[in-house]
Amino acid sequence: GAVVSQHPSWVICKSGTSVKIECRSLDFQATTMFWYRQFPKQSLMLMATSNEGSKATYEQGVEKDKFLINHASLTLSTLTVTSAHPEDSSFYICSVPGSSGITDTQYFGPGTRLTVL
Amino acid sequence: GNSVTQMEGPVTLSEEAFLTINCTYTATGYPSLFWYVQYPGEGLQLLLKATKADDKGSNKGFEATYRKETTSFHLEKGSVQVSDSAVYFCALSDYKLSFGAGTTVTVRA
Repeated sequence: GAVVSQHPSWVICKSGTSVKIECRSLDFQATTMFWYRQFPKQSLMLMATSNEGSKATYEQGVEKDKFLINHASLTLSTLTVTSAHPEDSSFYICSVPGSSGITDTQYFGPGTRLTVL
Repeated sequence: GNSVTQMEGPVTLSEEAFLTINCTYTATGYPSLFWYVQYPGEGLQLLLKATKADDKGSNKGFEATYRKETTSFHLEKGSVQVSDSAVYFCALSDYKLSFGAGTTVTVRA
């Protein structure tokens, strides 16, 4: 299966600043990657689908101007949290689907802990 | 829309005890069903999956059977170990992946 990395693993920033999180598929080319958000002791919520060569698809209720996604290559997707506020503090996780796409096994990154002061 | 309802925890067991975590789902189509596990300090990883009705997924002593008639995918293990302590997520996937709330399992020696 795919090996997925995320960088940074944790980040602390001041309110109003922007933070970029990288998701890399180390051994698998991914035309699609997924971004999730996980609140403490809660489940993962799909935020958006990152598509290589086209715009990301956002889930209902997710602000696309706040959570900017760029699928720069077949191995890299980035999530930028713009003008971050304390309510954006969360655990952000990306995944890469297996060869059959969304119905296939997902390979998850280790996650990025964002804390906004 | 699709949804997954998972037994709430936390669950605390002694080693060699029987573990079951209930999972039921609501879906309009014929989704694939998954159990993912998150060990402390690690990312989610696939534990097992089933892609159609009556399929049984199994891995590391864990089993779950895709029951269409009861819309369930309960996770079971006959004899747990301390190393099974983790958070377990039930999930379904057709056009997107939907997760249950997660169940924290702690196994005591």
